[in-house]
Amino acid sequence: DAGVIQSPRHEVTEMGQEVTLRCKPISGHDYLFWYRQTMMRGLELLIYFNNNVPIDDSGMPEDRFSAKMPNASFSTLKIQPSEPRDSAVYFCASSLGGAHGYFGAGTRLSVL
Amino acid sequence: AQSVTQLGSHVSVSEGALVLLRCNYSSSVPPYLFWYVQYPNQGLQLLLKYTTGATLVKGINGFEAEFKKSETSFHLTKPSAHMSDAAEYFCAVSDHSGANNLFFGTGTRLTVIP
Repeated sequence: DAGVIQSPRHEVTEMGQEVTLRCKPISGHDYLFWYRQTMMRGLELLIYFNNNVPIDDSGMPEDRFSAKMPNASFSTLKIQPSEPRDSAVYFCASSLGGAHGYFGAGTRLSVL
Repeated sequence: AQSVTQLGSHVSVSEGALVLLRCNYSSSVPPYLFWYVQYPNQGLQLLLKYTTGATLVKGINGFEAEFKKSETSFHLTKPSAHMSDAAEYFCAVSDHSGANNLFFGTGTRLTVIP
């Protein structure tokens, strides 16, 4: 398996623009997690899905953030409108039946 | 609620020396404990985990960690550091109530001096 695949690896956008981050989990995994990593706050769980259903989105910072998982092999994290403080590395992780996940390489987002 | 404290944001060791990265946790229920490693510009990779059973856990790349309930600790060790061990290490805790939420420490950057 190729592991968790995230795209794009880098995204530079201007404030106010919509940003969509994509994730393909490992085939057969039933959990998918979105994390954000910043210098100030470290690694934070934003949301996670079980069998494509959002289970806990309490970490989503505000309504500008939304996440979907239309099927078992694809998830998106959308920020609309984006703000400079959203600049971070966003990780997707997937797992089979548990909290410990296999992480993707991340998307480095810069909002100017 | 769960939380993790990693003592020392930066640790430097000489090649061949003992590696000791400290992690203390707080949990209201028996915890699951994890160590992850992150190399530059890469995602996190699981090194080892403790769920139940034997308190000394062996992981990949020669690392091991010991769960000490009385000390609420889960320190990561490796007898002999290698240059390739230079990376950032994260300790994480979750409970097994089904929450499936990992709480990460702030990380420790390990530097290996030749």
